[in-house]
Amino acid sequence: QQQVRQSPQSLTVWEGETAILNCSYENSAFDYFPWYQQFPGEGPALLISILSVSNKKEDGRFTIFFNKREKKLSLHIADSQPGDSATYFCAAGIGGSNAKLTFGKGTKLSVKS
Amino acid sequence: GGIITQTPKFLIGQEGQKLTLKCQQNFNHDTMYWYRQDSGKGLRLIYYSITENDLQKGDLSEGYDASREKKSSFSLTVTSAQKNEMAVFLCASTQGARAEQFFGPGTRLTVL
Repeated sequence: QQQVRQSPQSLTVWEGETAILNCSYENSAFDYFPWYQQFPGEGPALLISILSVSNKKEDGRFTIFFNKREKKLSLHIADSQPGDSATYFCAAGIGGSNAKLTFGKGTKLSVKS
Repeated sequence: GGIITQTPKFLIGQEGQKLTLKCQQNFNHDTMYWYRQDSGKGLRLIYYSITENDLQKGDLSEGYDASREKKSSFSLTVTSAQKNEMAVFLCASTQGARAEQFFGPGTRLTVL
C-alpha cells in the first residue's frame, strides 16, 4: 500500500521554466509534508515543508501548493536551473511524539540548458 | 551544525553473510532512523529509535536487526545477505516529529 504517491516519475524541463512535481496521500492524519532533494551519491536534504493548516508555502524559487480536501500537494520550482537537477521526494508525517515520515518514490528532475 | 557519518561507504558481502552498518551523529538528536533506498522505490523505513536503547520496527524490518548502543550511534545488521541484493542504506536523525530529518551519505551494499 503506497500511502504517498508522486508523479511524474521523471520530468525534464528547460532552464528558466517552472517545474511542477505532484504528490498525493491517503492518510487523513498526515499533517506535515516536507520535500527532500537528493543529488547522486548524497543523502536527501530538506528543501521546504508545509503544515496542513496552510495552503501555500514559499521559499525563494520553491513553492508548495497544498489542497487538504483533495489530499494533494505540488512543488513548483520557478526559473529552473541546471543545478536543480536532482531527485525530489515528497514525504508525510503526523505531528506528535511519533517522528516517523512516509516517503514517496520520488521524481527525478532534469533541467536542460 | 552537525554531521552524520556512515561506515563503511561501500560494503560488499557474500550470500548468507551477516553484515553490520554503522551510523554516528553529533547533533545530539534523540531519534535516529535506518532507511533502505532501492532504485525507483524511494525510501523505506527499516528501524527507528526514539531514544537510547529504544527500537521501533519500520515497514521493512524483516531480515534486519538494529541496535541503539548510545544516543549518538545506531547500528543496522543484515542478518543474512541475499544474493544480487543491491541497495543504499541511509541513516538519519531528528529532534522532533516535525523537525528536519538529517541524512547521512549512505552505505552502498552489494551482495555477490
